[in-house]
Amino acid sequence: GDSVTQMEGPVTLSEEAFLTINCTYTATGYPSLFWYVQYPGEGLQLLLKATKADDKGSNKGFEATYRKETTSFHLEKGSVQVSDSAVYFCALSPDTGRRALTFGSGTRLQVQP
Amino acid sequence: GAGVSQSPRYKVAKRGQDVALRCDPISGHVSLFWYQQALGQGPEFLTYFQNEAQLDKSGLPSDRFFAERPEGSVSTLKIQRTQQEDSAVYLCASSRDREVSTFGSGTRLTVV
Repeated sequence: GDSVTQMEGPVTLSEEAFLTINCTYTATGYPSLFWYVQYPGEGLQLLLKATKADDKGSNKGFEATYRKETTSFHLEKGSVQVSDSAVYFCALSPDTGRRALTFGSGTRLQVQP
Repeated sequence: GAGVSQSPRYKVAKRGQDVALRCDPISGHVSLFWYQQALGQGPEFLTYFQNEAQLDKSGLPSDRFFAERPEGSVSTLKIQRTQQEDSAVYLCASSRDREVSTFGSGTRLTVV
């Protein structure tokens, strides 16, 4: 079945550091890929998405590129802020018409001033 | 309302008790999803409705779990004879057909 694997956290960075959170997936065909963010006490929010190979999703300084050849969708940001501290989830939606999302286990990011 | 609303925010149940969790989706959203998020894990799919039709319930972990959406709007997730392993955050999400889902803040269920 479909699966998503994320790097384990917590990831602790100083403000303005470069961020990479690795995400790889297993799925047949061409799934859509997503990054969601969960701030403390809040629901999941869509951060960015990509629906086909080589697409780059971007939002709020975060970027991720859909790499079909390596089945990856790594999240990057050039300069993190304390306000980026949250849990980040990589997810996929299959191209089979099934609407359910499959999530990774999440990566907690802690940014220190 | 502007977002997906879930109630209650917190629920403590004694083992063996029945519980009902409510989800009010965004008005006009035909698709509605329930997910279960255990502590320290990502959400796992439970079930999916399109309007009032339950099109996918493959993620429901046992026959103690039951979901309904009788009028195609509000949905209720019911768990009968709760067990400790049912302790989790239950997330509801809704969307217009084939668009990205908007998630609610969840109901945290603790079974003692």
